[in-house]
Amino acid sequence: GQSLEQPSEVTAVEGAIVQINCTYQTSGFYGLSWYQQHDGGAPTFLSYNALDGLEETGRFSSFLSRSDSYGYLLLQELQMKDSASYFCAVKGQGGKLIFGQGTELSVKP
Amino acid sequence: DSGVTQTPKHLITATGQRVTLRCSPRSGDLSVYWYQQSLDQGLQFLIQYYNGEERAKGNILERFSAQQFPDLHSELNLSSLELGDSALYFCASSGGDRDEKLFFGSGTQLSVL
Repeated sequence: GQSLEQPSEVTAVEGAIVQINCTYQTSGFYGLSWYQQHDGGAPTFLSYNALDGLEETGRFSSFLSRSDSYGYLLLQELQMKDSASYFCAVKGQGGKLIFGQGTELSVKP
Repeated sequence: DSGVTQTPKHLITATGQRVTLRCSPRSGDLSVYWYQQSLDQGLQFLIQYYNGEERAKGNILERFSAQQFPDLHSELNLSSLELGDSALYFCASSGGDRDEKLFFGSGTQLSVL
């Protein structure tokens, strides 16, 4: 089967840097994705890592270590609008994209 | 706007009833995915269709069924509804059958009373 673990809540202040971790277990692994969801709205794609290392997209970066079955999303220069839920997701056996339970990020002034 | 259209946005019904949720994928996308999100929960994968064929199946209840039509729109049918079926149901689409980047619709909020 497949399972993902990520913290349920993270709080940070505006302008700071925050890291959201994700560990996964899956039979067959193709890559780790990150999605953002504001208040029950449509989830939106942030990043995807298939290989080890860091991928940077503006203020957001995502890291993957396949040997450790671990990844993280790094958000820099936090803004109030970054307050949202962040989901890691793995594509495993059968090509199914399975999501974690989500991390609710609260950005304080 | 992701380009994925879901109707209706809200649905209120009673236990034991049957409902149909509809999804139109982005223009050109061949894959449609259905996810269920209960209150404060993650996105539970239900099922994926690619170009009219079932491609992958998650923990979808036997009371639930889906299909993708020749024009690529999809419908999710939920029958014998229970209180616990109340949730936000999302449809997503992608171009291929193994894409990492999914485009999600705004969801259908189902309330079973």
